[in-house]
Amino acid sequence: SQTIHQWPATLVQPVGSPLSLECTVEGTSNPNLYWYRQAAGRGLQLLFYSVGIGQISSEVPQNLSASRPQDRQFILSSKKLLLSDSGFYLCAWTVGASNNSPLHFGNGTRLTVT
Amino acid sequence: SQQGEEDPQALSIQEGENATMNCSYKTSINNLQWYRQNSGRGLVHLILIRSNEREKHSGRLRVTLDTSKKSSSLLITASRAADTASYFCATDNTGNQFYFGTGTSLTVIP
Repeated sequence: SQTIHQWPATLVQPVGSPLSLECTVEGTSNPNLYWYRQAAGRGLQLLFYSVGIGQISSEVPQNLSASRPQDRQFILSSKKLLLSDSGFYLCAWTVGASNNSPLHFGNGTRLTVT
Repeated sequence: SQQGEEDPQALSIQEGENATMNCSYKTSINNLQWYRQNSGRGLVHLILIRSNEREKHSGRLRVTLDTSKKSSSLLITASRAADTASYFCATDNTGNQFYFGTGTSLTVIP
């Protein structure tokens, strides 16, 4: 069966510090991968998605970047965090090349920038 | 950017009652999906309805889709305290991009 791992679960970082969040998927090949951010009490904002190694699509210009160094690994990074980067970050995957595949989410990382 | 809007933003009902929440979206879609989120956790997929379908059932869940009105509804019958969660609709426009609504917070009172 497929599983998705996301870590860390919580993170407190000072303004101006770097960020690296990692997400890995097991049990599937060539998944589409996604990073979402959820502000407190709000909906999910699509940040990045990837349909293959090295292929990254950015939805919102911002202080963040994403990379996909391996088929089932998706990394969210920042060189210098801002207060506004605080939020709940969720990684998700779907079956690649499928028009009717649901998203499968990790348990999220709660980031607080102080 | 967010595609959909859920209505109501918050809903409080007694256990055993039915809960109905609505979702409106803006563009044409391949499918529409409903997800549930317990506090502080990731989202869990509930049900997917394709653009050529009008109604779908799964257990106590019933979803309708009206593409002419660009709207969908989720009905949870015979609600339980364990149904307390936030519910989100998400639209799939291209097969690669999924846009979520703002969510409905459901509280089921035992």
